[in-house]
Amino acid sequence: NAGVTQTPKFRILKIGQSMTLQCTQDMNHNYMYWYRQDPGMGLKLIYYSVGAGITDKGEVPNGYNVSRSTTEDFPLRLELAAPSQTSVYFCASRYGPSTDTQYFGPGTRLTVL
Amino acid sequence: DQQVKQNSPSLSVQEGRISILNCDYTNSMFDYFLWYKKYPAEGPTFLISISSIKDKNEDGRFTVFLNKSAKHLSLHIVPSQPGDSAVYFCAAMDGSSNTGKLIFGQGTTLQVKP
Repeated sequence: NAGVTQTPKFRILKIGQSMTLQCTQDMNHNYMYWYRQDPGMGLKLIYYSVGAGITDKGEVPNGYNVSRSTTEDFPLRLELAAPSQTSVYFCASRYGPSTDTQYFGPGTRLTVL
Repeated sequence: DQQVKQNSPSLSVQEGRISILNCDYTNSMFDYFLWYKKYPAEGPTFLISISSIKDKNEDGRFTVFLNKSAKHLSLHIVPSQPGDSAVYFCAAMDGSSNTGKLIFGQGTTLQVKP
């Protein structure tokens, strides 16, 4: 199993550009999450999904959109990139009950200039 | 409003000694707590967890203690090894919600000197 994979690893965007961060898991996990980590800060939840077709907002959803059309994929969309979205983005997944371990991908480092 | 706080940004210990990382929380609904370890350029990896029905959980060199009345938990690493040098995040959740949403602290960077 590859686990949770994220692409790209790095990206530089100009203000106002859009992009999609890809996240795929091959563990047949129902639950998937997007977090962002700013320098010197902990991870903050952006969006999460409890299954295909079901998504909900986390702590910091503004400026982002998600979709979950399959169990495996959970892309995160930035429509109008802003400098405040410069961060490291982590995708995570877990199988079932809330106390199951969340497995994280390696992250995408995004810089908006 | 920081619901989970790690007040020590960094900690340096000598190899073989004990490392103690601390975490405080404010939300009484939190009933499950976790520690994650993160190396540079990698995603966080799960280390150890504890339910609010316990006050201690041990896994090899790692022990987590929970003091519910003080809303405080700590991670003890004994003995510390250079490979333990990483950022450690404390996280908390309301297990009854079933969403699995984690609230993270800011992290503590542990350096273990040979």
